[in-house]
Amino acid sequence: NAGVMQNPRHLVRRRGQEARLRCSPMKGHSHVYWYRQLPEEGLKFMVYLQKENIIDESGMPKERFSAEFPKEGPSILRIQQVVRGDSAAYFCASSPNQISGNTIYFGEGSWLTVV
Amino acid sequence: SQQGEEDPQALSIQEGENATMNCSYKTSINNLQWYRQNSGRGLVHLILIRSNEREKHSGRLRVTLDTSKKSSSLLITASRAADTASYFCATDAAGAQKLVFGQGTRLTINP
Repeated sequence: NAGVMQNPRHLVRRRGQEARLRCSPMKGHSHVYWYRQLPEEGLKFMVYLQKENIIDESGMPKERFSAEFPKEGPSILRIQQVVRGDSAAYFCASSPNQISGNTIYFGEGSWLTVV
Repeated sequence: SQQGEEDPQALSIQEGENATMNCSYKTSINNLQWYRQNSGRGLVHLILIRSNEREKHSGRLRVTLDTSKKSSSLLITASRAADTASYFCATDAAGAQKLVFGQGTRLTINP
């Protein structure tokens, strides 16, 4: 059973470009979470999605950031018009059910560098 | 409010010694989990302890939870160089549908 797959692992973008990060959850998992980690810091929650629905986006910046988890295909975290401050590691996690009492499984992360 | 504050922020010990990391949180929780992160890698789940449990063991790991003090500790016994990593606690608060992470403890095991 493959783990949570994220790609690309490393991405370099110039200021103003778009970054698109993909996450395929573990087989059988329908709950996806995105987290951001700045250097030397902990993970900050961004958004929680189930298939075709955004359940909690309280951690998403109001502008330039969007996320989706379509019926078919991976979850996508999209960052438009990137700025240097968007440079971070973006982690996706998945779980089979709601989080309470359940472990969530993390991917290896996508490391975004904005130059 | 910030959940899951770990201390110390950094810990350096000799191989073979025990390492203890602490985590405090602010609101009522359903569960508390500990994760390990090696440099440049994703998070690996170590152990989950439920709010009605006080202690849990897994191999060389021992986790305690004191809900009256809103704190948890992670003990790694007989440390090895391979234990060098950052360790994070994460809580899921009652009614919430997300894990909230602390800033982590950077553990260095010196050979």
